[in-house]
Amino acid sequence: GQNIDQPTEMTATEGAIVQINCTYQTSGFNGLFWYQQHAGEAPTFLSYNVLDGLEEKGRFSSFLSRSKGYSYLLLKELQMKDSASYLCAVDNYGQNFVFGPGTRLSVLP
Amino acid sequence: EAQVTQNPRYLITVTGKKLTVTCSQNMNHEYMSWYRQDPGLGLRQIYYSMNVEVTDKGDVPEGYKVSRKEKRNFPLILESPSPNQTSLYFCASSPDRGYGNTIYFGEGSWLTVV
Repeated sequence: GQNIDQPTEMTATEGAIVQINCTYQTSGFNGLFWYQQHAGEAPTFLSYNVLDGLEEKGRFSSFLSRSKGYSYLLLKELQMKDSASYLCAVDNYGQNFVFGPGTRLSVLP
Repeated sequence: EAQVTQNPRYLITVTGKKLTVTCSQNMNHEYMSWYRQDPGLGLRQIYYSMNVEVTDKGDVPEGYKVSRKEKRNFPLILESPSPNQTSLYFCASSPDRGYGNTIYFGEGSWLTVV
């Protein structure tokens, strides 16, 4: 089977840093995606990690530890427009993509 | 422009009346998939397809059918819709199942079954 967990909700202040965690248990792991989704809209791609370590892309960074089944998305210099849901998704090689429940982030002024 | 197109975007229908949600992609992608999204449950996969004439069940296939007769199209069929199928539906595609290929999503279809 497969199981992906994320916190349901998080709140942070504009300008701050927030870390959104994702843990997973799955077979045939190939990599892990992070997507951003604003309410009522389609998810948009943020990052993809296949190797252990940190990948940085501007204000967003994503970390993966394959041995621990753990990933996090780090958002720096938070802006109001970062208020959204953040979805981690496991790329099950040879099978399909499986999404976690998503974390709803609220950025407060 | 590379895109995944779903229709209809919004639909209110009655219980038992068959409906089809179309999905088309213009990127020659091999992999296509349908998800439904409900509050607190994230994106749950309904069906997916690795290529033409190849389809597989996802996590929540009950009450749905799909077909993949052509590479670009992957319609979702609700033979006899019920109120518990009221949801936001997303179609998605990806070049193939290889390393690091991004999933592209359609804009979503809001379906209400009364």
